[in-house]
Amino acid sequence: EVQLVESGGGLVQPGGSLRLSCAGSGFNFSDLYFDWVRQAPGKGLEWIGRLINTPIGSSTEYATSVKDRFTISRDESKTSLHLQMDSLKTEDTAVYYCSRLPSANNNIVYWGQGAPVTVSS
Amino acid sequence: DIQMTQSPSSLSASVGDRVTITCRASQAISNYLAWFQQKPGKAPRFLIYAASILQSGVASKFSGSQSGTVFTLTISSLQPEDSATYYCQQYYRYPLTFGGGTKVEIK
Repeated sequence: EVQLVESGGGLVQPGGSLRLSCAGSGFNFSDLYFDWVRQAPGKGLEWIGRLINTPIGSSTEYATSVKDRFTISRDESKTSLHLQMDSLKTEDTAVYYCSRLPSANNNIVYWGQGAPVTVSS
Repeated sequence: DIQMTQSPSSLSASVGDRVTITCRASQAISNYLAWFQQKPGKAPRFLIYAASILQSGVASKFSGSQSGTVFTLTISSLQPEDSATYYCQQYYRYPLTFGGGTKVEIK
């Protein structure tokens, strides 16, 4: 069974940093690509970014709202995905989901259970 | 960025009603459109991809269609378990974008 489990959520002050991790089982993170999606309290879904595995490593794409502040990476064992969040703002408060959304060549979609992040002083 | 505009933002319907949700893309996205269902406190559930193809395991009461840049999700006969928020999402171009959501309630 495929599972994605996020960890690392919590309370952080504005301007601070936090690193979320996503552990996968039932598949290999070296497959295709993975996304981070967030949902602010009472709000809709917002795509944050994607890590795409390539034959020579990986590449990333980001939403404008987090570009230059957030970084997606994977570990060398290719069993975990990470979201490094720097210069956090109160508006970054949300539940963060590790996921794999559909693409032109893929209709296998995964979602983690979500990790809550609160940015507050 | 491609804007996805969903309407209505909420609706209330009776059990057995036919319900239609619309999602309009701000530019052409071919058929690269997915629909998700989300219940409170849960991760979204994948319903439809490529605008009209039902994901495996999804009930046939759900259907999707497209006319140009306007996409539609239809629930043919609303049931209590369909009470949820529904989101469209385009995967034609980065940044990927979601619609604002449609909350479906049972009268």
